[in-house]
Amino acid sequence: QSVLTQPPSASGTPGQRVTISCSGSSSNIGSNYVYWYQQLPGTAPKLLIYRNNQRPSGVPDRFSGSKSGTSASLAISGLRSEDEADYYCATWDDSLSGPVFGGGTKLTVL
Amino acid sequence: QITLKESGPTLVKPTQTLTLTCTFSGFSLSTSGVGVGWIRQPPGKALEWLALIYWNDDKPYSPSLKSRLTITKDTSKNQVVLTMTNMDPVDTATYYCAHISSSSWAFDPWGQGTLVTVSS
Repeated sequence: QSVLTQPPSASGTPGQRVTISCSGSSSNIGSNYVYWYQQLPGTAPKLLIYRNNQRPSGVPDRFSGSKSGTSASLAISGLRSEDEADYYCATWDDSLSGPVFGGGTKLTVL
Repeated sequence: QITLKESGPTLVKPTQTLTLTCTFSGFSLSTSGVGVGWIRQPPGKALEWLALIYWNDDKPYSPSLKSRLTITKDTSKNQVVLTMTNMDPVDTATYYCAHISSSSWAFDPWGQGTLVTVSS
């Protein structure tokens, strides 16, 4: 069981806006930055969002991140078929003294 | 451009020790603020962090696996080695190494991963 809780699945139609939640606690999300990774089928994870809401160069502005208290969210607007992937949130956990990941959310584009 | 690549056995027997090597380019592990981490992913399951090694040789380990893991670096060869003792079929997973730095403290980028199967 993962330290961070994500819904196992999410879906949307092309052009829609979808959000994926990530819930933690005061020892992880509540006191540290949140990161989001995208894992396309059969590939390694790729950094999507860092420090809660920053996008690495090359990541479209359709992807945005936010954090409030002990929860975080990833929003994808203008959904496209190529966004179909697994999405993982991550952060540092002060109690465990290391990074922790969410259980992942499988996004399906209908 | 930063690249990383994992190498090691694809099949190990239960109770054996697994040794994985991460060979990287585009950065130096002697540079302040830089590190390499290992993360694994069982088939169809979530990511799990295993260990990190930083430029200053600080080495945090996953508390649940700490007794079985050892991470080392060879700065001259641009390699990081992870050993995991007493392998079990539940350790079957794709093992990734990834770069981390103080510019973001994110795992970025990742290697392509290597699938390790534990079976007799």
